[in-house]
Amino acid sequence: ETGVTQTPRHLVMGMTNKKSLKCEQHLGHNAMYWYKQSAKKPLELMFVYSLEERVENNSVPSRFSPECPNSSHLFLHLHTLQPEDSALYLCASSQPTGDLNTGELFFGEGSRLTVL
Amino acid sequence: GQNIDQPTEMTATEGAIVQINCTYQTSGFNGLFWYQQHAGEAPTFLSYNVLDGLEEKGRFSSFLSRSKGYSYLLLKELQMKDSASYLCAVVDSNYQLIWGAGTKLIIKP
Repeated sequence: ETGVTQTPRHLVMGMTNKKSLKCEQHLGHNAMYWYKQSAKKPLELMFVYSLEERVENNSVPSRFSPECPNSSHLFLHLHTLQPEDSALYLCASSQPTGDLNTGELFFGEGSRLTVL
Repeated sequence: GQNIDQPTEMTATEGAIVQINCTYQTSGFNGLFWYQQHAGEAPTFLSYNVLDGLEEKGRFSSFLSRSKGYSYLLLKELQMKDSASYLCAVVDSNYQLIWGAGTKLIIKP
């Protein structure tokens, strides 16, 4: 098993659909993250979970809903998205060395989302 | 506001050396990361600098000057497989990662 696995790799959905992105990490890390990556823009942090508890939500619209049932799994539930939400959604995990966000991030290959 | 600046795109020749610069203005500093991302793949960790100076790791080196708010990634003996985007990210005083938009490096034979 590779370190961080994301499914699906590609997703096309209409604005009224409901879908979910899944992330699984096999590294024994305590922290998991959702990032949005748009072309020629910096990575945008969406959500952070530490020990299954959400510790950060960077003012993400409510049409994105995260879920972290255990330290190995992270979901991003999608509902009534907009075309501007089309992007690559990256999941990452880390084992912080003392302070959150200072550990090396291990990324999944991303889910490429297209909203029609 | 907080800002990370990197060139959008660079081109270099196979076998040559290239330096990718990153300048930052952040509220505090607790380290700087470089990641490599091949097209369609996950970003992967390259280096972490928290003290001034040069860190060498094989063909790749990363330099940091905290007083100048400046870092660079140096790639030697370039290979075609080095064609990728290189992401600079700074850890600020709140231990948040501030990301640059990335530099797309194109290697030509």
